[in-house]
Amino acid sequence: DAKTTQPNSMESNEEEPVHLPCNHSTISGTDYIHWYRQLPSQGPEYVIHGLTSNVNNRMASLAIAEDRKSSTLILHRATLRDAAVYYCILNQGAQKLVFGQGTRLTINP
Amino acid sequence: KAGVTQTPRYLIKTRGQQVTLSCSPISGHRSVSWYQQTPGQGLQFLFEYFSETQRNKGNFPGRFSGRQFSNSRSEMNVSTLELGDSALYLCASSLLGALGEQYFGPGTRLTVT
Repeated sequence: DAKTTQPNSMESNEEEPVHLPCNHSTISGTDYIHWYRQLPSQGPEYVIHGLTSNVNNRMASLAIAEDRKSSTLILHRATLRDAAVYYCILNQGAQKLVFGQGTRLTINP
Repeated sequence: KAGVTQTPRYLIKTRGQQVTLSCSPISGHRSVSWYQQTPGQGLQFLFEYFSETQRNKGNFPGRFSGRQFSNSRSEMNVSTLELGDSALYLCASSLLGALGEQYFGPGTRLTVT
């Protein structure tokens, strides 16, 4: 299973943008990049996913490097509700998600 | 529409017993995946079913098994429980499986004493 590397924790302030990095240097051409987050005492929640081009949805944006060896999840305006563990996952076509340890995001009021 | 439901939400069992957990996916979703979450190992994939067929299996012993019914509801069974099986068991449903967006349930918290 291809691995991703994320910082253990990050901190940001409410109403500011947050950039969550993810390195995946062993990514192959057909691997999708998925992001999920897990709020306290809840199951994981889908955030966004992409293959090559940058992606936007109502929750976040995903910026993928040209060589695809890294990506960044962007929360445009963080709220307290965005405090969670964020997981960057490479989906290699198998019907499973391989979660790493993720980044614990703290939002300061 | 209704989300993924899991029953029971909490369960306490004794070592050596067996347990069955249930998952009802979102209506129309044919893929159901199961994950185990522990503080030490994080989230680990158990297995995935699509239209009653197991398509993928994680690295868990044979004591962990599952099945899916024709209405897409799924059950997982753990036999001969061990203390290390204490965990949050999460179920996720989707239209396409892990390649698309997966919707997770709230989980079943299993404690083995």
